[in-house]
Amino acid sequence: DVKVTQSSRYLVKRTGEKVFLECVQDMDHENMFWYRQDPGLGLRLIYFSYDVKMKEKGDIPEGYSVSREKKERFSLILESASTNQTSMYLCASSLKDLGQYFGPGTRLTVT
Amino acid sequence: DQQVKQNSPSLSVQEGRISILNCDYTNSMFDYFLWYKKYPAEGPTFLISISSIKDKNEDGRFTVFLNKSAKHLSLHIVPSQPGDSAVYFCAASAGANSKLTFGKGITLSVRP
Repeated sequence: DVKVTQSSRYLVKRTGEKVFLECVQDMDHENMFWYRQDPGLGLRLIYFSYDVKMKEKGDIPEGYSVSREKKERFSLILESASTNQTSMYLCASSLKDLGQYFGPGTRLTVT
Repeated sequence: DQQVKQNSPSLSVQEGRISILNCDYTNSMFDYFLWYKKYPAEGPTFLISISSIKDKNEDGRFTVFLNKSAKHLSLHIVPSQPGDSAVYFCAASAGANSKLTFGKGITLSVRP
């Protein structure tokens, strides 16, 4: 069974803090993705990576950065958290030519 | 510009009846389509997919139909069960290894 884990299920941070969201997959998948899910907006792609040390901007990269130093780990970084970054963050991974497997999500609240 | 549209935000169906969830797309480069199911406080789970070389794919109670000329796909669930109550996302990509574009989702409620 594919397993995608995210470091926290719930997180509360203050405005201006630097926030790290970690994602680890255990199936040697090349591709990894970060999304955010907001009511009425569906899933929106923030960043993705097709290989170690490789990253591509998604549809809404502003205010975020990512890091992929190892194949199994993909980190999302909020350099200076803002209240409009309060959201559900979902990490996913996939092999080539297959659908994406999602982690359980991190509900981030920025106060 | 929304490239994948799920125009109905919700659908309510009686248990045992058919659920039909619709999805439209605008990007003619899309050739791979997926449906995901999401329960509250969980990540989406892959349900079923279809490539543009087919017009139908079936997996148990779930069938996806693709009408390329109309740029429309639909997910049929027969028979619907209360455990099917969830948010369903339609997604599309230009090539199976490309990034996915998701619709906004539709909330399905199956009444006992």
